[in-house]
Amino acid sequence: SYELTQPPSVSVSPGQTASISCSGDRLEDKHVNWYQQMPGQSPVMVIYRDTKRPSGIPERFSASNSGNTATLTITGTQPMDGADYYCQAWHSSSAWVFGGGTKLTVL
Amino acid sequence: QVQLEESGGGVVQPGRSLRLSCAASGFTFSSFGMHWVRQPPGKGLEWVAVIWYDGSHEYYADSVKGRFTISRDNSKNTLYLQMETLRAEDTAVYYCVRDVEMTYFDFWGQGTLVTVSS
Repeated sequence: SYELTQPPSVSVSPGQTASISCSGDRLEDKHVNWYQQMPGQSPVMVIYRDTKRPSGIPERFSASNSGNTATLTITGTQPMDGADYYCQAWHSSSAWVFGGGTKLTVL
Repeated sequence: QVQLEESGGGVVQPGRSLRLSCAASGFTFSSFGMHWVRQPPGKGLEWVAVIWYDGSHEYYADSVKGRFTISRDNSKNTLYLQMETLRAEDTAVYYCVRDVEMTYFDFWGQGTLVTVSS
């Protein structure tokens, strides 16, 4: 089965840049999507098809996908960005797969 | 605006059944594939099942295959998940999610909690 691996936690100071990685075999061959989940709330898509940002998502959210690693980057991180972030991709052997999630702490 | 409202969750004993519903509004329901995604308490997201926009195809995660059935009624704008032979490990918040191009999930419901416990 296909697996996506994320670090359990990332910490960043307000105003700094946060990077959250997502690793998987030949991940660059797939479209990676990212979801933000605030405590007690449903997930919200923040990036789709590797680099695209839905309307309403701040420009400080960006992403890339190369080789075996996709990266979500938050530039000028704000306290409100503290949340769990999940990467997701589709693979023929496992269908829709999520990473284990990364808890972003802004302090 | 797109709205997805799940219902039907609750506490159920192991081995019993439960049916979840998801009422959709604000978009042409019959034009979109739909998924169920679940999240055990304090844990990550797990894809459960998908159904094509017209109900012609269904696929399931190995963990629920043979026990869960996804279906839809496009005349009622409603998605369903019939869950049989429930296990403790099925305890989770179940989200109804809209699909885009069988690639990503653009809208999520608020979720309904299913607790399997004796």
